[in-house]
Amino acid sequence: TQLLEQSPQFLSIQEGENLTVYCNSSSVFSSLQWYRQEPGEGPVLLVTVVTGGEVKKLKRLTFQFGDARKDSSLHITAAQPGDTGLYLCAGPSNDYKLSFGAGTTVTVRA
Amino acid sequence: ETGVTQTPRHLVMGMTNKKSLKCEQHLGHNAMYWYKQSAKKPLELMFVYSLEERVENNSVPSRFSPECPNSSHLFLHLHTLQPEDSALYLCASSPTKGAYYGYTFGSGTRLTVV
Repeated sequence: TQLLEQSPQFLSIQEGENLTVYCNSSSVFSSLQWYRQEPGEGPVLLVTVVTGGEVKKLKRLTFQFGDARKDSSLHITAAQPGDTGLYLCAGPSNDYKLSFGAGTTVTVRA
Repeated sequence: ETGVTQTPRHLVMGMTNKKSLKCEQHLGHNAMYWYKQSAKKPLELMFVYSLEERVENNSVPSRFSPECPNSSHLFLHLHTLQPEDSALYLCASSPTKGAYYGYTFGSGTRLTVV
């Protein structure tokens, strides 16, 4: 089983601050995905990164895939209360199964 | 409706009850999944169906019984559950039996076993 470790487990910041969450593994992944889950809802796919070193931007969110394809990071610029949620990284562990990290709970205070 | 719909949203059941969770997707996807989400633990894959055929049973206790009558519907039948089975049960679908395109999740059923 390919394990994905996310850090930190919890993050609480003030509106307007920046934050970064990390997803690390000892295994190489063909791709990694990031999801956001809001309270009472299921996870929603934000992005898929495929190429080592790839950087993708989604408005104020920047996703990076490590050169060795073993790690990824999510950076949020000028966080807003709407960014509050559980951020999950996930990677394929075989041709159809996604394995998930335990997640980072982000709280943005107004 | 669009997306993945799960019913009920909340369920409280005794250990001797029998209940079923329902999942329906209107995306034309061919693969469907059941995941269990417990506090502070990664999502645990329970079952995978591709074109109505079960392709993985991830060592799930027999008190959980899945059913996939067609590519749009997925059920999880529950009987004789234990308190530790209390969790959020998530259904997901994907275009094919592949993780590359990502999953579309439902809102989940919050199950409490008393």
